Amino acid sequence: KNEVEQSPQNLTAQEGEFITINCSYSVGISALHWLQQHPGGGIVSLFMLSSGKKKHGRLIATINIQEKHSSLHITASHPRDSAVYICAAAKTGNQFYFGTGTSLTVIP
Amino acid sequence: DAGVTQSPTHLIKTRGQHVTLRCSPISGHKSVSWYQQVLGQGPQFIFQYYEKEERGRGNFPDRFSARQFPNYSSELNVNALLLGDSALYLCASSPDAGGAYGYTFGSGTRLTVV
Repeated sequence: KNEVEQSPQNLTAQEGEFITINCSYSVGISALHWLQQHPGGGIVSLFMLSSGKKKHGRLIATINIQEKHSSLHITASHPRDSAVYICAAAKTGNQFYFGTGTSLTVIP
Repeated sequence: DAGVTQSPTHLIKTRGQHVTLRCSPISGHKSVSWYQQVLGQGPQFIFQYYEKEERGRGNFPDRFSARQFPNYSSELNVNALLLGDSALYLCASSPDAGGAYGYTFGSGTRLTVV
């Protein structure tokens, strides 16, 4: 059983739709990270959360520590948002447990 | 500003060979971590180094080893390569061992073992 579970695994949306990706974890964490990985492999860090909610542009990330659950929301989705989104639970420092990722395709 | 630099970007090796992957962290970052990402899966933690000392090790065999140099760059070595070692190897750096100040990933080295 993975320490970090993401859903859905694949997601196709029409441009402009509101998107939600969910992450549940079973380990004690110091922080929860949302990452974006584009084809070719490069990973970009989107958010680091230890409580509450963070917003950056059209991206919003929330975390519920008691329920061990986090969500990543994308408002007004755009084709350039197409990527794999990975949830990663940081147990200590850079020692992450990664989810398997959610592959998002936004259709114009 | 240079980000996290990994070399080479792509590599093809034969089963049984040895490989060395390199990572240069962002200037001022003292922690480097290594991850293996097999196609279709999320990354798996391999090692963390901070101030040239190993701070953590994931569930990988002893064929995997790493070190960090005085300039904080790092090498990941894999001996006796297996087909299953084919993966994207990612390096991440951060200023501290705890990751409290964030971290940055490199673009990875794609290793293919044939």
